[in-house]
Amino acid sequence: GAVVSQHPSWVICKSGTSVKIECRSLDFQATTMFWYRQFPKQSLMLMATSNEGSKATYEQGVEKDKFLINHASLTLSTLTVTSAHPEDSSFYICSASGGTGGGWADTQYFGPGTRLTVL
Amino acid sequence: RKEVEQDPGPFNVPEGATVAFNCTYSNSASQSFFWYRQDCRKEPKLLMSVYSSGNEDGRFTAQLNRASQYISLLIRDSKLSDSATYLCVVPEGGRRALTFGSGTRLQVQP
Repeated sequence: GAVVSQHPSWVICKSGTSVKIECRSLDFQATTMFWYRQFPKQSLMLMATSNEGSKATYEQGVEKDKFLINHASLTLSTLTVTSAHPEDSSFYICSASGGTGGGWADTQYFGPGTRLTVL
Repeated sequence: RKEVEQDPGPFNVPEGATVAFNCTYSNSASQSFFWYRQDCRKEPKLLMSVYSSGNEDGRFTAQLNRASQYISLLIRDSKLSDSATYLCVVPEGGRRALTFGSGTRLQVQP
């Protein structure tokens, strides 16, 4: 099956610093990658949709200048949390879709997630 | 009304029991549905897809009721390893993004 990796798996940083999270599709080309955030005891919330070679589409309420997304290749997308604050502490999960059929039928494969703690 | 609603549980059942979860969705145009399983501090993993009236895979059965806009997941002969949070997921119309329900927590006890 398709494998998606994330790095790092966990990170602890000081308030005000920036953190970069990588999402890689290891054995397929991901035309679309999604970034989700999950707070404790809550469900996954979509932050943004990223298509290779184009700007990411952010969900309402997600600051694009704070959460920088780059999808420079078909196997790598990065999420940078700039000037992180304690309220940004969360579980960040990416998913990748490589289908060419378009629409909702393409399977998404999830990365293992990155747990961010901002002190 | 939330786009996808689930009873958060927890459902505490003994081993061997049959348990069912329901999920309601608001978008009547939705064509496909998914059940994901998420273990604590892990990523969601696809359990079942539902495209028509239902789907069955071993001990797991998913059923779709379009008229009432709900999907159910039935787990027979529960195992300890079934303990997890079960997420009802509905794709967002023409986009590829997924809308997740808040999840139903299942705890199977010995």
